[in-house]
This record gives sequence, C-alpha cells and structure tokens, in this order.
Amino acid sequence: AQRVTQPEKLLSVFKGAPVELKCNYSYSGSPELFWYVQYSRQRLQLLLRHISRESIKGFTADLNKGETSFHLKKPFAQEEDSAMYYCALSGFSGAGSYQLTFGKGTKLSVIP
Amino acid sequence: NAGVTQTPKFQVLKTGQSMTLQCAQDMNHNSMYWYRQDPGMGLRLIYYSASEGTTDKGEVPNGYNVSRLNKREFSLRLESAAPSQTSVYFCASSRSGSETDTQYFGPGTRLTVL
Repeated sequence: AQRVTQPEKLLSVFKGAPVELKCNYSYSGSPELFWYVQYSRQRLQLLLRHISRESIKGFTADLNKGETSFHLKKPFAQEEDSAMYYCALSGFSGAGSYQLTFGKGTKLSVIP
Repeated sequence: NAGVTQTPKFQVLKTGQSMTLQCAQDMNHNSMYWYRQDPGMGLRLIYYSASEGTTDKGEVPNGYNVSRLNKREFSLRLESAAPSQTSVYFCASSRSGSETDTQYFGPGTRLTVL
C-alpha cells in the first residue's frame, strides 16, 4: 500500500526566510510525486510535479529515493506563499488506472 | 472554460436524508474523481471513474454511490446521510488517469449533516 507522510501540520516562517515542507512516501514501485497547494478561498491546484523538474513560484522539490522523500523548498518565503500544501503520490490502483494518495497537508504561515 | 464545476456549494442535511452532489468538467477529460477533505486527514478518495462507463471504489467508499452520467458529468450520492459524512467534498478530473496526469479540482461542496 502507498502512503504519504507530511510530519508538520503547521509551519510558520518569517518573510524572507527559507522554507522547507517535508514529505516522505512509501511505495513499492517507482514513484511519481506532486505538490498541490490550496490558497485561502481558492480551489486545490497543482504547484509542481516531479516529472517536470521545474521551479514554480520559486519552489523546487527533489526526489530522494534513498530517503524516500520529496521535500518542497523555497529560498525566500513571501507572504503570498501562505497556504495549505499537500504532497501526493500517484500509484497504480490495480483497476487499470492510477490514483493520487495525499498526505495530510502542511499549513504554511509566512509572518510579515 | 469553467474547468470543473460543482453544485451545490453548501448543503445542510439531517441524518437519514439523501442528496446528490453534482460535478461537471468541460476539459474533455476521461477520468474523474470524488474526494472528501477532513481537518487533519488531508484528501481521501471516495470513488473514481477512469473512463466513461466505469467506476471504482477508492479509500473511503462506504455510504456513497456514484454515477458517471456521461463523459462530462460525475455525481456522488449519499443515500442516508450520517454526521460522519460532514466534510468538504471535492470533484476532480484528469486527462487520462495516467501516472503523471495532473488532476484539476472543483471549488468544493461544504456538507453538514446534523
């Protein structure tokens, strides 16, 4: 069974400080991982995908298979980064398609 | 493009009542999903439809039924609502349900069962 763990429910940082949101996973195959973000009063949306290897809004995430981690990082936090962040793993469902398994989420609060 | 739309936005039910949550997407996506979001629990998959004409159970299907009405629409039905079903419900869709697909979410339905 696949599992995604986000150990921090809440993370508070000062504006301009570095941010790291932790994500660890458990999966028997080769994982595809995602970070989704939900800003206040907005719908959940994709922030970035492992397969794209891109930086979105200054955020990056590196897959570390040895540590089974996919931590989200940003060097300098901005107030507009305050949101709920979910790490998700795409795993084979056994019914011929893939399902996303989400972590419980980390609420990031950037203090002015 | 409206993307993924959901109705209603809010609903209050009494225990034992039934209701259907509606979801539609205009992106010509093949796969659609229903999640529930509870504080401290993240998003959990209730049911999904990999393609038109198919539906499968997710992690927490008990107490729910779904219908994939056509390619655009995927409804979630609560036959006899219980307080434990108080939650925020999200519908999502993706192009093909493949491993690397991005899922696009609706705005959510906030349901309270008294």
